[in-house]
Amino acid sequence: AQSVTQLGSHVSVSEGALVLLRCNYSSSVPPYLFWYVQYPNQGLQLLLKYTSAATLVKGINGFEAEFKKSETSFHLTKPSAHMSDAAEYFCAVSDFAGGTSYGKLTFGQGTILTVHP
Amino acid sequence: EPEVTQTPSHQVTQMGQEVILRCVPISNHLYFYWYRQILGQKVEFLVSFYNNEISEKSEIFDDQFSVERPDGSNFTLKIRSTKLEDSAMYFCASSDMWTRGEHNEQFFGPGTRLTVL
Repeated sequence: AQSVTQLGSHVSVSEGALVLLRCNYSSSVPPYLFWYVQYPNQGLQLLLKYTSAATLVKGINGFEAEFKKSETSFHLTKPSAHMSDAAEYFCAVSDFAGGTSYGKLTFGQGTILTVHP
Repeated sequence: EPEVTQTPSHQVTQMGQEVILRCVPISNHLYFYWYRQILGQKVEFLVSFYNNEISEKSEIFDDQFSVERPDGSNFTLKIRSTKLEDSAMYFCASSDMWTRGEHNEQFFGPGTRLTVL
């Protein structure tokens, strides 16, 4: 069974500061991990994904995440926050196992990022 | 860029009424999903659909729920007799799952906000 824990339901940073959103996972199969972003009144948009290639994954809008198997973590970072980054961010793990499952996503609780001027 | 679309964007219904939420997945995708997000809670998996049948469903997806792919483009979620607790944002997603040895992400629609009075 898969599970995801996002530490911190709210994170507040100043514009230009480092963004760090934490995600820890539990998975019974080699994990496929995703970060999605949800802007107000919109759907979920993929930021980046880890699918067993490089452990440091770069995504859109300057975000990146590092897969650390030993820590079962997949934290999302951005060196310099922008006002437009204000949104809710979801970490998710897939139960896909190379053709024997259907890729159900299990989401974390979400982290609301606020960016102050 | 291809996208998943959902209609309506907002549905208000009386308790006990039937509702049908509609989705048009990305055209070459073969895997379809419904998720829901109750206000203030995490995104939850409801059901996955592949090869014209349900491949997996959660315990939330009881006999009141059904899914259908009535033609080559639409994917619907029906709730037969709505309850107050069905009020949520419902997201449709689609994926082509696995190409060139890589597990692909799910693409989400903008959601349908269902309000049950």
